[in-house]
Amino acid sequence: QQQVKQSPQSLIVQKGGISIINCAYENTAFDYFPWYQQFPGKGPALLIAIRPDVSEKKEGRFTISFNKSAKQFSLHIMDSQPGDSATYFCASTYTGNQFYFGTGTSLTVIP
Amino acid sequence: ETGVTQSPTHLIKTRGQQVTLRCSSQSGHNTVSWYQQALGQGPQFIFQYYREEENGRGNFPPRFSGLQFPNYSSELNVNALELDDSALYLCASNPMGGGTDTQYFGPGTRLTVL
Repeated sequence: QQQVKQSPQSLIVQKGGISIINCAYENTAFDYFPWYQQFPGKGPALLIAIRPDVSEKKEGRFTISFNKSAKQFSLHIMDSQPGDSATYFCASTYTGNQFYFGTGTSLTVIP
Repeated sequence: ETGVTQSPTHLIKTRGQQVTLRCSSQSGHNTVSWYQQALGQGPQFIFQYYREEENGRGNFPPRFSGLQFPNYSSELNVNALELDDSALYLCASNPMGGGTDTQYFGPGTRLTVL
């Protein structure tokens, strides 16, 4: 059973546009929801993370929206730039447990 | 940079061989997790070590084993390599008990099994 489902698989956005990536999780015990950015040949790097006690968290151009009742969370990248072109993974976990990753979204930002 | 290093960067082995991958965590990070990332997929949890003891395991066979050392380094050993073991192997560390679940990933080791 896939614990975390991520969509879309790929995304093409114009420079300056908004990129939106969605994730849905199964386990209501999850209490930590990070997003990771991965460039080719590199390990995933933490981008932003949220806990279920808030519905939104913003850091610069990156925002997580969290809907606990729907068991969904999303990443919004405002003013997308070509340098944002990478693969993005959502993940879910609860304290001390393993991370369950989504299947990834390949983002391409066109200049 | 996360302060997590892995070696080697790339490795080529043949089916049936054994391999050891190494990871050096940040100082003070007493928890290390290992993940397998197949091409085009998200990382899959192999196992986690906390204070040198295995502290959770994913759906991987016993030929995947690990060690954690007091100096914040760890190893992933894979015996009887199979073609499907070809993947990027990632280690991630975090300071369990430090009030955070953030895992910091290393750059990975790319393993190719021929």
